[in-house]
Amino acid sequence: DGGITQSPKYLFRKEGQNVTLSCEQNLNHDAMYWYRQDPGQGLRLIYYSQIVNDFQKGDIAEGYSVSREKKESFPLTVTSAQKNPTAFYLCASSMPMNTEAFFGQGTRLTVV
Amino acid sequence: AQSVTQLGSHVSVSEGALVLLRCNYSSSVPPYLFWYVQYPNQGLQLLLKYTSAATLVKGINGFEAEFKKSETSFHLTKPSAHMSDAAEYFCAVSDPIKAAGNKLTFGGGTRVLVKP
Repeated sequence: DGGITQSPKYLFRKEGQNVTLSCEQNLNHDAMYWYRQDPGQGLRLIYYSQIVNDFQKGDIAEGYSVSREKKESFPLTVTSAQKNPTAFYLCASSMPMNTEAFFGQGTRLTVV
Repeated sequence: AQSVTQLGSHVSVSEGALVLLRCNYSSSVPPYLFWYVQYPNQGLQLLLKYTSAATLVKGINGFEAEFKKSETSFHLTKPSAHMSDAAEYFCAVSDPIKAAGNKLTFGGGTRVLVKP
């Protein structure tokens, strides 16, 4: 089955730690995205990538980093510089000429 | 910059009653518009999309939405609510002209509660 796999589903981070969220897709999509979801705020774009080895900042990129070394993978690192990382993180992918995005099941990150 | 406003963060409907979720957008050009549904602790699933074809768009699970350019609206409706419709619904817009991929701008979401 084609789709987007995010792992882990739940993640706990201690203060000052970096953590990496995994996102893998087998839809052969060129573009991939990371969104952050907080209650009552909808989804906000963190980073996006249209092709391998290229990515751009979204609206709330501070404290996050990404890489796009392979077409199917777009990991997100939440660094210690992100002061309020507790949130639900969603990865998505799409084709450039297809307008809809397909979403993974999300990773819930909690700072402990 | 594009923006999306969903009126009402929470909506309560009785089972069998009309579901109406409001979405207004701001865009300098006619955009592509989407409605997604999210069940607790899950990702988003596409309900329907408008991409400059028919203004009345039918989606999955009996939902439909009408694009009204004069009102910059894309309201979502379902004639008869079912208990399984309890979820959060997001309206989103993308710019069909900009080449910056298919970045979506989302509204704040509307949580639907269905009463038996």
